[in-house]
Amino acid sequence: TQLLEQSPQFLSIQEGENLTVYCNSSSVFSSLQWYRQEPGEGPVLLVTVVTGGEVKKLKRLTFQFGDARKDSSLHITAAQPGDTGLYLCAGAWGSQGNLIFGKGTKLSVKP
Amino acid sequence: DSGVTQTPKHLITATGQRVTLRCSPRSGDLSVYWYQQSLDQGLQFLIQYYNGEERAKGNILERFSAQQFPDLHSELNLSSLELGDSALYFCASSVGARGGRLELFFGEGSRLTVL
Repeated sequence: TQLLEQSPQFLSIQEGENLTVYCNSSSVFSSLQWYRQEPGEGPVLLVTVVTGGEVKKLKRLTFQFGDARKDSSLHITAAQPGDTGLYLCAGAWGSQGNLIFGKGTKLSVKP
Repeated sequence: DSGVTQTPKHLITATGQRVTLRCSPRSGDLSVYWYQQSLDQGLQFLIQYYNGEERAKGNILERFSAQQFPDLHSELNLSSLELGDSALYFCASSVGARGGRLELFFGEGSRLTVL
């Protein structure tokens, strides 16, 4: 059974601070995705990474896929209250047709 | 708006009862996925359908069943409900069924409360 571990579980920071959250597995992913979920809504896809060592940027968000494709990180620069939400990573393995999600990092950015 | 529609948004029922949750995927998407989200377990994969056929099964209880109809909408049936079934149930859709670039679009969820 593939497991995704996300850390930290909770993170509360002030507006303007930088932060990094992590997603780890003992298995090699064929691809990994990051989603953000706000209260009362479904998760929304932020990015997909496929190649080991890949780095993708989305405005103030930087996503990195580990060289061995077993881990990923999400770095947010100068966090804003609008970044508040649950950040979920999801992994696909081989030819599996479903995504397995981590339990998420709940981020709170205070003004 | 993801384009995925789920009904009902909220449902309150009693233990032992049966409910049906409905999902309409994005136009053009052939795959439908059902997930259960609770505070302690996170987002748990239940089942996937592709173009009317079951494609993958996750942690779905025997009391739960699902199907995808010819018009591609899907229903998740939950029976003999227990208190522990209270959760958010999400439907998601995607164009394809498998592969490294699978991308899911989620509905807003159905919140089930079992009393």
